[in-house]
Amino acid sequence: EDKVVQSPLSLVVHEGDTVTLNCSYEVTNFRSLLWYKQEKKAPTFLFMLTSSGIEKKSGRLSSILDKKELFSILNITATQTGDSAIYLCAVEGAQKLVFGQGTRLTINP
Amino acid sequence: NAGVMQNPRHLVRRRGQEARLRCSPMKGHSHVYWYRQLPEEGLKFMVYLQKENIIDESGMPKERFSAEFPKEGPSILRIQQVVRGDSAAYFCASSPYGRSSYEQYFGPGTRLTVT
Repeated sequence: EDKVVQSPLSLVVHEGDTVTLNCSYEVTNFRSLLWYKQEKKAPTFLFMLTSSGIEKKSGRLSSILDKKELFSILNITATQTGDSAIYLCAVEGAQKLVFGQGTRLTINP
Repeated sequence: NAGVMQNPRHLVRRRGQEARLRCSPMKGHSHVYWYRQLPEEGLKFMVYLQKENIIDESGMPKERFSAEFPKEGPSILRIQQVVRGDSAAYFCASSPYGRSSYEQYFGPGTRLTVT
């Protein structure tokens, strides 16, 4: 059965810290890996990764995929209180998107 | 672009009643996906539809749940004879493409509470 596991489940840091969120997967016929940010409502799209070793960046956020070791990381540098959210990793396999359980990130001022 | 719209945003039903959740995809998107999110859990895929077709319903419970995406109008997720365990947030997402390389845009969700 397809599986996506995120770690840590919960993380509390101070504003300005750098965080790394992890996502490992076992999925049949991997197509892509996606990261979403979920605040109070709908998840919003952050990144889509399809190739190993190519970093995607958007401001203070960056992500990279390792298809050999079957994982991805999401980095956030110089965190701000507005980064507090649940970060969801999803992998597109043979038939559908499979989501991890999410990492709840809290940034304290 | 109005984005993906879902209504109602909050729905309260008593056990045994029917719940109808609506999703209007983004303009130009013909692919719709429904997900369920239980408290403190990730999103779980339920069903994938294109206009007038169910492509993949492997995540949908076999009984009481049905989905449609008619030629005209929104996609509907229907839950008959609701039970307390159906209480969850139901998210709809749409994409312009099929399964190869896409981004899904999510609606704000419908929070269903069964009393």
